[in-house]
Amino acid sequence: AQKVTQAQTEISVVEKEDVTLDCVYETRDTTYYLFWYKQPPSGELVFLIRRNSFDEQNEISGRYSWNFQKSTSSFNFTITASQVVDSAVYFCALSALWANSKLTFGKGITLSVRP
Amino acid sequence: NAGVTQTPKFQVLKTGQSMTLQCAQDMNHEYMSWYRQDPGMGLRLIHYSVGAGITDQGEVPNGYNVSRSTTEDFPLRLLSAAPSQTSVYFCASSRLGRDLTQYFGPGTRLTVL
Repeated sequence: AQKVTQAQTEISVVEKEDVTLDCVYETRDTTYYLFWYKQPPSGELVFLIRRNSFDEQNEISGRYSWNFQKSTSSFNFTITASQVVDSAVYFCALSALWANSKLTFGKGITLSVRP
Repeated sequence: NAGVTQTPKFQVLKTGQSMTLQCAQDMNHEYMSWYRQDPGMGLRLIHYSVGAGITDQGEVPNGYNVSRSTTEDFPLRLLSAAPSQTSVYFCASSRLGRDLTQYFGPGTRLTVL
């Protein structure tokens, strides 16, 4: 069985602070994918990043960076110099390659960025 | 390229009524799925399809039916709506194979009274 845990439920920061969103996953599969999705107040789900289980290279994209560590089964997401527009619910999700794209989602983290 | 579209955006039903939530994609994706989102629960998979004529149950299938007659369309049917089905429903699609990224529609907010 697969499981995604986002232990943080709500985070509030002041604009320009850095913030890290934690994600811990469980799977018995050796080949899997990890995702982060953003859900702004408007309600749509926006794909942010995908990582393969065999690619532990971390990535920085503008103000966003991701830290994937198989040893600790974690896939954390950091926003540097947060902005009000980053206020949203962030979901971490997991899919095993054999599972035909079926996603297991965490319960989400509500990020509020105050001006 | 519209991506994944869903209709309606909002719907109010009375207990026992039936309705169909529509979902369509124009990306020629093999895989399509329906999720429901409830407060504090994240998204949970209802039904999914890996191609025309093939459907299967997800985590919370009870009370819902699906069919996949074409690659593009994947409607979700509520045969007899119940208040427990009040939720936001998302349709998603993706390719099968190495790229499993799912792209989501805008969602349908359903209230059952």
